[in-house]
Amino acid sequence: DVKVTQSSRYLVKRTGEKVFLECVQDMDHENMFWYRQDPGLGLRLIYFSYDVKMKEKGDIPEGYSVSREKKERFSLILESASTNQTSMYLCASRVEYEQYFGPGTRLTVT
Amino acid sequence: GENVEQHPSTLSVQEGDSAVIKCTYSDSASNYFPWYKQELGKGPQLIIDIRSNVGEKKDQRIAVTLNKTAKHFSLHITETQPEDSAVYFCAARTNTGNQFYFGTGTSLTVIP
Repeated sequence: DVKVTQSSRYLVKRTGEKVFLECVQDMDHENMFWYRQDPGLGLRLIYFSYDVKMKEKGDIPEGYSVSREKKERFSLILESASTNQTSMYLCASRVEYEQYFGPGTRLTVT
Repeated sequence: GENVEQHPSTLSVQEGDSAVIKCTYSDSASNYFPWYKQELGKGPQLIIDIRSNVGEKKDQRIAVTLNKTAKHFSLHITETQPEDSAVYFCAARTNTGNQFYFGTGTSLTVIP
């Protein structure tokens, strides 16, 4: 059974903090993705990675960075959290056409 | 890049009735169109998908149709049940791109 896990379901951070969101998949997929989900805007791609140490910007990369040191793990980093980064963050991995999502991390920045 | 539009944003139906959600896309190179269901507090789950070489696909009470000429595709749910209540997203992807482009979602409520 396909499994994508995210390190936290809920997270509260203060403005200016450095925030790490972790994602792990157990399917040996090469492609992994980070999205943010906001009401009325759907899912917007922040970054994706198609191999270890490889990354590409998505539609809204500003204020974020990523790290992929191992195939199964893809981390999203908020260098200096701001209130406009309060959102639901979804990780996904993909093989061929099918994309599988984790349960999401609801991040609140105060 | 690709632009996917989804309608309606909210939909309420009586239990047992059908529900239809429609999406349009802009890039004629898109060739894969998945539909996701997101229940409260969970990540989106793939429920059905269609590729551009097929016009219709059905899986029990769920079906998807694709009109490549008009660049639109639709999700049809028949005999709706309360557990069908969720947010549904459509998406499109080209065969050369890594990126999926998502619609803005439809919140479906099935009234018992």
